[in-house]
Amino acid sequence: GQNIDQPTEMTATEGAIVQINCTYQTSGFNGLFWYQQHAGEAPTFLSYNVLDGLEEKGRFSSFLSRSKGYSYLLLKELQMKDSASYLCAVSTTSGTYKYIFGTGTRLKVLA
Amino acid sequence: DTEVTQTPKHLVMGMTNKKSLKCEQHMGHRAMYWYKQKAKKPPELMFVYSYEKLSINESVPSRFSPECPNSSLLNLHLHALQPEDSALYLCASSQEPGPQHFGDGTRLSIL
Repeated sequence: GQNIDQPTEMTATEGAIVQINCTYQTSGFNGLFWYQQHAGEAPTFLSYNVLDGLEEKGRFSSFLSRSKGYSYLLLKELQMKDSASYLCAVSTTSGTYKYIFGTGTRLKVLA
Repeated sequence: DTEVTQTPKHLVMGMTNKKSLKCEQHMGHRAMYWYKQKAKKPPELMFVYSYEKLSINESVPSRFSPECPNSSLLNLHLHALQPEDSALYLCASSQEPGPQHFGDGTRLSIL
């Protein structure tokens, strides 16, 4: 079966660093994506990993280990506006590319 | 500004009504998607169109009928919906296997 797991909720303090983990078991793998979604809004793309290793984009970094079926999103210098849901999604292929979303992690940033 | 445009932003309809949701993108993406999202849940894939052909239908009830008139447009026709169909409906596009770009969604309420 296809399974993507994330912690349901996390809390962190403004200015701190937080790591959101994602583990996956899928048939076929073409890439792993991280999205941010504020309440009532559409998901917005943050980061994308195809190969093992770390991808850095400003305050956001994402890591992938394909052999372990594991990824994390690292958010540095947290700001209040980072309070949102963070969605991990895996792209798989069974003839057509399909994106499977994890359960999402709700992050609360406290002052 | 979002690159994927969805209309209407809000829709209230009775269970006997027929309505349509519209989605448009001009990024040249060849894959387009419909998702349903309930509060505090991840997006749930409904349909995938690849090169204007329906490639994935995730066992969606026939009261939802997708249509792809051309490579830039995607419609979702609604008929005889149930109260449990009330949700945020998201359209997305991608250049497979890259990241998906989401529209702002249509918030649908069934009376």
